[in-house]
Parts: sequence; C-alpha cells; structure tokens
Amino acid sequence: EAGVAQSPRYKIIEKRQSVAFWCNPISGHATLYWYQQILGQGPKLLIQFQNNGVVDDSQLPKDRFSAERLKGVDSTLKIQPAKLEDSAVYLCASSPDINYGYTFGSGTRLTVV
Amino acid sequence: DQQVKQNSPSLSVQEGRISILNCDYTNSMFDYFLWYKKYPAEGPTFLISISSIKDKNEDGRFTVFLNKSAKHLSLHIVPSQPGDSAVYFCAARSNTGNQFYFGTGTSLTVIP
Repeated sequence: EAGVAQSPRYKIIEKRQSVAFWCNPISGHATLYWYQQILGQGPKLLIQFQNNGVVDDSQLPKDRFSAERLKGVDSTLKIQPAKLEDSAVYLCASSPDINYGYTFGSGTRLTVV
Repeated sequence: DQQVKQNSPSLSVQEGRISILNCDYTNSMFDYFLWYKKYPAEGPTFLISISSIKDKNEDGRFTVFLNKSAKHLSLHIVPSQPGDSAVYFCAARSNTGNQFYFGTGTSLTVIP
C-alpha cells in the first residue's frame, strides 16, 4: 500500500510571501488531517476533513491559512501571507475513518525568513 | 494548554536493556491512546495503541501500560535495539472528539 505523499519536502520563503503544500492520502482513506509541528513540540491539529467536508478547523488561523480537499482525495494547505512563526513541519495524515489511528506523510519543512 | 505531557525530552539506554518512555495526560475523557515513532526527516509512524478498557497491550518487543487512575501511560521496549533510536510521541483522544492530542516527544538513544 502506498503511503501518504506530500510535496514539496522543503520550502524556504520570505515573510509575507505565499506558499502551498500538497497531500495525497492513502487510497480509500476518508479522513485527512493537516498538522503543524513546531521544533521541540508535538504535532498540533490544524484541520480535519471527512471526505471533502471540514470536520474540525478550530485551530486553523483562518486569517492566513486555508485548506481544501476537492473531490475528497488530494488536499492543499495554503499560507498567505507567511509569518516567521509559521516555520514548522507541516504533516499530512490520513485514516480510513475517524476511529482509527493515522498514517502520516513525511511532511513539508517550511522555513520563513 | 498541553493536555498530553512527556516530561522527559531524552532518554539513553544500553542495547539489550529495557527502555521505558512515560506519558501523562490531564483530560479524564481520553479513552484511546497511541504511540508513534519518528525518525529524522520522516513522518511519525504508528507503533502501538491501547484503549481505556485495557491496562496493557503487547506487540512483540513493545508493551504499552495504561494507569487510568493516575492518568499515565508508558511504553516499554524490551530488549532495546540501536534501530529503536528515534523520537517517540504519545497521543490521546477523547470519546467525544475526533482529534488526537500529541505530547512533545521523547528522544530515545539506544547505545550499542
């Protein structure tokens, strides 16, 4: 079974620029998550999708972050404009259902300078 | 507010010995717990889980113990191997929620 695919692996941008991350979950997994992991901290949930609907986005900074999951498969996470404190690893995860544990992708390491 | 805490940022253990990684939580509604293992430049990978109806779950060299009254769980690795060197995260979910809350991780180094 192919894993969760994420791209790019690394991204360096200047503050106030925009950036987008892409995630392709495991085939058939209905639930998709975006997590932010700041250095030295555990992953923090940003948004959770069930198919193409949002289940939980209470911790997503909606003034600058947006995410979509068109057709209930791939997902993109966008930051516009980026701030220095957005430097982190952005992890995408998927699961067959909300009652299962996740499979994580390798993440995108974002550095905002 | 950190609902899941791993108070030991790092742990070093000799190869062949037991590694014990600890995790504490504050939310009494948490009823499902996971341990993840993370190598550098990779995403976390699922290791073992435990439901609150159990106090122990074993999978090969890995055993997770849950003490609900103390709101504490631990991961035991016996015997420890150099390939076990990684960061270990515990995560917990409540019976009323969808998301898992993660601890800050413990970096385990197994010395050959």
